[in-house]
Amino acid sequence: QQQVKQSPQSLIVQKGGISIINCAYENTAFDYFPWYQQFPGKGPALLIAIRPDVSEKKEGRFTISFNKSAKQFSLHIMDSQPGDSATYFCAASIPPLDMRFGAGTRLTVKP
Amino acid sequence: DVKVTQSSRYLVKRTGEKVFLECVQDMDHENMFWYRQDPGLGLRLIYFSYDVKMKEKGDIPEGYSVSREKKERFSLILESASTNQTSMYLCASSFSGILGETQYFGPGTRLLVL
Repeated sequence: QQQVKQSPQSLIVQKGGISIINCAYENTAFDYFPWYQQFPGKGPALLIAIRPDVSEKKEGRFTISFNKSAKQFSLHIMDSQPGDSATYFCAASIPPLDMRFGAGTRLTVKP
Repeated sequence: DVKVTQSSRYLVKRTGEKVFLECVQDMDHENMFWYRQDPGLGLRLIYFSYDVKMKEKGDIPEGYSVSREKKERFSLILESASTNQTSMYLCASSFSGILGETQYFGPGTRLLVL
C-alpha cells in the first residue's frame, strides 16, 4: 500500500511550458517533503524540499506548493526545458530514517 | 561532494545464486539504506542501518539480508536469487538527526536474474 500517491505517471510538456506533478499522503506525522530528480543511469538527487509550516517554496524555476489540510503537495516547473526531462519522485518523510516515495513521474520536455 | 558508490552498475545472475551488492559512502554518514526501484512502484525500502552492525527491516525485506561491518560500507545480500528480484537496486546514505533530512543516492545496480 503506497503511502504517497503521485500523479501523473508520465507527462509530456512543450519547451517553455509549465510542468505540474501532484502528490498526496495520508500520515500526518510526515514532517518533511522532498522532491528528487533522477536522470537515466543516475541515482535520484534532491531537487527541492518543504516543511509543512510553509505553503510554498521556490528555487529558481522549481516551486513546491503545499496544502496541509488537504495532505497534498505539488511540484511546478516553470519555463520547462529539455534538460528537465527526467523522472521525478515526491517523498514524505519523518527524518532521518523514514522516507516514503511516490511511484515517480517521467517528464519529457519536447523542444 | 557526497559520494555514494555501488560496486556494479549491471549484474546478471542465475536463479539460486548468492548475490552481493556493495555500497560505500565517503561522508561519514551514520545512516545507510537499500531500496529497490521498479516501474510504477517507485522506491521501496528493503533494509536500513543507523549504525555499524545495526540493521532494521524496511517494507520488503523478504529474500534479502544486509551487513554493515564498517561505517562506510553497507552490503545487500540475496541469499538465493530469484527472477522476481530482477530490479534496480539503489543505495543511499544520510546523517543522523536534523541533518539527516537528505538522502544521497548511489548510481544504482541493475540486476537481472535469469
